[in-house]
Amino acid sequence: GNSVTQMEGPVTLSEEAFLTINCTYTATGYPSLFWYVQYPGEGLQLLLKATKADDKGSNKGFEATYRKETTSFHLEKGSVQVSDSAVYFCALSEGNTPLVFGKGTRLSVIA
Amino acid sequence: NAGVMQNPRHLVRRRGQEARLRCSPMKGHSHVYWYRQLPEEGLKFMVYLQKENIIDESGMPKERFSAEFPKEGPSILRIQQVVRGDSAAYFCASSPASGGSAGELFFGEGSRLTVL
Repeated sequence: GNSVTQMEGPVTLSEEAFLTINCTYTATGYPSLFWYVQYPGEGLQLLLKATKADDKGSNKGFEATYRKETTSFHLEKGSVQVSDSAVYFCALSEGNTPLVFGKGTRLSVIA
Repeated sequence: NAGVMQNPRHLVRRRGQEARLRCSPMKGHSHVYWYRQLPEEGLKFMVYLQKENIIDESGMPKERFSAEFPKEGPSILRIQQVVRGDSAAYFCASSPASGGSAGELFFGEGSRLTVL
């Protein structure tokens, strides 16, 4: 079945550091790919998405490119802020199947 | 501009009691999903419902758990005879009936169940 694997955390970075959170997926067809973010005590919010190969999703300085050849959708940000501290989830959706999530990566940014 | 509303936000039950979690989807959304988040784990899909229909319950435990989404009122996730292993955050999400971004879900803030 479909699955998502993302790097384990926690990830601790200093403010203004470069962020990469790796995500790879397994799917039978051509899924849509998503990054969701969960701030402490809250539900998940959609951060960005890409629906086909080579698409780049971007929002709030975060970017991720849908790489079909490597089945990856790595999340990047050039300069993180303390307010980016959260748990980040990679997810995929194919056809009418519900979203499948990775286990999440906790990011802590220190000043 | 109400989003997905879940209640209660926190629920404490003793072993053997029943837990009922409620979810009102966003206005105009008729698809509801329930996910469970165990401590330090990702979200696991439980069930997908439309009004008066269960579409996919492949993630629901076979016993003690049930879900409904009646024609009127919120969706209910019901856990009978709770055990300590049921302690988790339960998230509800909704999506529009048609159109919208493929796979994009709108999440509530979750209901955190603690079983003593």
